[in-house]
Amino acid sequence: NAGVTQTPKFRVLKTGQSMTLLCAQDMNHEYMYWYRQDPGMGLRLIHYSVGEGTTAKGEVPDGYNVSRLKKQNFLLGLESAAPSQTSVYFCASSWGGRFEQYFGPGTRLTVT
Amino acid sequence: AQTVTQSQPEMSVQEAETVTLSCTYDTSENNYYLFWYKQPPSRQMILVIRQEAYKQQNATENRFSVNFQKAAKSFSLKISDSQLGDTAMYFCAFIPGGSNYKLTFGKGTLLTVNP
Repeated sequence: NAGVTQTPKFRVLKTGQSMTLLCAQDMNHEYMYWYRQDPGMGLRLIHYSVGEGTTAKGEVPDGYNVSRLKKQNFLLGLESAAPSQTSVYFCASSWGGRFEQYFGPGTRLTVT
Repeated sequence: AQTVTQSQPEMSVQEAETVTLSCTYDTSENNYYLFWYKQPPSRQMILVIRQEAYKQQNATENRFSVNFQKAAKSFSLKISDSQLGDTAMYFCAFIPGGSNYKLTFGKGTLLTVNP
């Protein structure tokens, strides 16, 4: 049981490049989330999904897109990376909104 | 909008002593859930404890316990018999009941346990 995994763990992009972060969970959770963590800001919700095929915007969705084609996977895309998107990205999953969220190990993204 | 405030950016404690981390929140909801998460230097976010607002009894998990004061909108975390492995950033988080799935985090308290 791997829990929540994220790929890759580190990435460096140049401004304007695109990339996709992959999150996978093996706990059969319905809900999945993408957060970003910046110094002094805590974690902020980017997008979330309450089930396969559904997605919704969180607190800071601009510049990101997501897809949930399979229940166990939640992808986060950056179409045209900007230095402001330099951050640590966390994926999480849960049984439902009122239940605790389980987090992946994070992806450190640097945009130069 | 819900807000979560952790007023102590940094704290330190001696090994084996007790420390309390503060958290206050602002909400108009009556039903909600509160969490403390721990983030050690490894960066992994680990759930420490969970409290349901409709339960008056304070949650406890081994050396970790909370003091939940609903009227005061306060949710502090007490760590007893502090260990070196407790050194981490601690985040208080809030999620309302119902259909709102947004987990709101405080900005965190960096706890250092000294030998």
